[in-house]
Amino acid sequence: DIQMTQSPSSLSASVGDRVTITCRASQSISSYLNWYQQKPGKAPKLLIYAASSLQSGVPSRFSGSGSGTDFTLTISSLQPEDFATYYCQQSYSTPRSFGQGTKLEIK
Amino acid sequence: QVQLQESGPGLVKPSQTLSLTCTVSGGSISSGSYYWSWIRQPAGKGLEWIGRIYTSGSTNYNPSLKSRVTISVDTSKNQFSLKLSSVTAADTAVYYCARGKGWNDPLDYWGQGTLVTVSS
Repeated sequence: DIQMTQSPSSLSASVGDRVTITCRASQSISSYLNWYQQKPGKAPKLLIYAASSLQSGVPSRFSGSGSGTDFTLTISSLQPEDFATYYCQQSYSTPRSFGQGTKLEIK
Repeated sequence: QVQLQESGPGLVKPSQTLSLTCTVSGGSISSGSYYWSWIRQPAGKGLEWIGRIYTSGSTNYNPSLKSRVTISVDTSKNQFSLKLSSVTAADTAVYYCARGKGWNDPLDYWGQGTLVTVSS
């Protein structure tokens, strides 16, 4: 099974900041990496698929990059509604696996 | 607009079988190259992938749960279902159903989630 590790586990930032979250896979997953945003009490929401493709309706301040084992999610200018928990997920093989999550909090 | 809605008992006794159904609206469950998945999340913890089913009926399961999990599809009702047997308190979680397109199925539509508590 492929293990996904995110860093950091939590992050404090201010509105307007540029933020980067990292996800590492235990083996190469090509570009089969997805990013989700989850707010308390809500289902996850797909932000980025295939490492760098922006899901329809997602603001362009979100971007993803990487391939192989190392990936990043970048938010170019944090907005108040972006404070949430972010998860990466590999869709290279089954069983699918998620990172442990990165909680983005207001500084 | 595709919508998914989970339903089923919110309380299950230990050693019994958890049964949930996901009803899909706004599109046919059998059209397109979609995989239909179950994911769960214990309170305050991360996401765990349980398994998925293709419209043909082929399935993939998480090996950590494989001996206890069955996912099935009922195209006539536009639903797919999850059964998890021999439950314990460790199976208490919010259970989500979701849709993904193609083999690499990024999960683009999710249900709102349903809390299942395992307790006597």
